[in-house]
Amino acid sequence: EAQVTQNPRYLITVTGKKLTVTCSQNMNHEYMSWYRQDPGLGLRQIYYSMNVEVTDKGDVPEGYKVSRKEKRNFPLILESPSPNQTSLYFCASSLYSGTGHNEQFFGPGTRLTVL
Amino acid sequence: AQTVTQSQPEMSVQEAETVTLSCTYDTSESDYYLFWYKQPPSRQMILVIRQEAYKQQNATENRFSVNFQKAAKSFSLKISDSQLGDAAMYFCAYRFDRYTSGTYKYIFGTGTRLKVLA
Repeated sequence: EAQVTQNPRYLITVTGKKLTVTCSQNMNHEYMSWYRQDPGLGLRQIYYSMNVEVTDKGDVPEGYKVSRKEKRNFPLILESPSPNQTSLYFCASSLYSGTGHNEQFFGPGTRLTVL
Repeated sequence: AQTVTQSQPEMSVQEAETVTLSCTYDTSESDYYLFWYKQPPSRQMILVIRQEAYKQQNATENRFSVNFQKAAKSFSLKISDSQLGDAAMYFCAYRFDRYTSGTYKYIFGTGTRLKVLA
């Protein structure tokens, strides 16, 4: 089954304790992206990647890191989480070409709480 | 900077009736893509419909259609024959890409919560 998976689905942590949210897709997509969703703010793009070793900042990259060492994986790293990073996080992937409307496929979301 | 505005935080519609959700955006680009996503209580993001800016014809997917007004930078979603399963948060999204420079960004609106009344 074609899908985007995220782990963990729920996480409660404390300020300053490094964490990683994993994202994996099995559709051989070039493009992967991370979003955070907050009430009243919609989804905001954190980072995106057009291919292995190619990443770029979205609109809210502060406090986050990403890496793309393999095509299928795009982990989100919070080196020193703070309470303002409490949010619902989505990973998404799509094909990437210069011609297309390429549909994004979203993971199920990760609910992160930073105390 | 590109922005997407959904001015209706919440809307209600009677079952079987028609409702229109509004979305406006701001961009200086001429080529871009627009999308409507549905997010039910399960939180899963589901693509409802998409529109390429270079196409004048409005996109349609079954009971869902858009009214795309490029000059006015407006992209509204019409849901006909509303069903209880249509109740969800709806997000308007804009994407522009410069393939040659590797820029491929999405911008989402703040969402409209649609309630469907039986």
